[in-house]
Amino acid sequence: DILMTQTPISLSVTPGQPASISCKSSQSLLHSDGKTYLDWYLQKPGQSPQLLIYEVSNRFSAVPDRFSGSGSGTDFTLKISRVEAEDVGVYYCMQSIQHTFGQGTRLEIK
Amino acid sequence: EVQLLESGGGLVQPGDSLRLSCAASGFSFGSYAMTWVRQAPGKGLEWVSGISGSGATTYYADSVKGRFSISRDNSRNTVYLQINSLRVEDTAVYYCAKADIVLMVFASFDYWGQGALVTVSS
Repeated sequence: DILMTQTPISLSVTPGQPASISCKSSQSLLHSDGKTYLDWYLQKPGQSPQLLIYEVSNRFSAVPDRFSGSGSGTDFTLKISRVEAEDVGVYYCMQSIQHTFGQGTRLEIK
Repeated sequence: EVQLLESGGGLVQPGDSLRLSCAASGFSFGSYAMTWVRQAPGKGLEWVSGISGSGATTYYADSVKGRFSISRDNSRNTVYLQINSLRVEDTAVYYCAKADIVLMVFASFDYWGQGALVTVSS
């Protein structure tokens, strides 16, 4: 099984400042088709999860461009260039080969 | 607009069975895989099951294999999750989600329902 590990578990960010979340997989998520199957989801307080980023770096429909994803193989990063109050919630990475999630990273506003 | 509406949750006793339903609208239902993801109280997300667009292929997490059964009725735009021999540790919000492709493998989950709470307690 592919295990996903996120760091940090939580972070507190001042509005307008950047934020970064790391996700590491126990096996490479690069497939022979050349694609890497790593997604990012955000669960805002009291809401269902929502897709932010798919295949490492592709923003889903209507996701603001302050969100960006990068990485390769087993190491991935979600970056928020300028955190806004509406970005509060728990961020999860998920490998979409076997569909396991990281444990989540809670983002709060300072 | 894509909409997913779960139903069938509730309070049940250990050992009971339950069937969750997810009614979909706003997209060509049979052209996409569907999946169930659960979240225990205060915990993270756990993928539990998925089904291909045609219904021919089903997938299960090891933790639920043998007790959970996923199915779909493309004429009713509905996906189901049958849960047997319920355990206290099955207590969770169960989310239905749409995959972005017809098969589960390599699928991202682009739309989610509001969730159905299943509470297993004696």
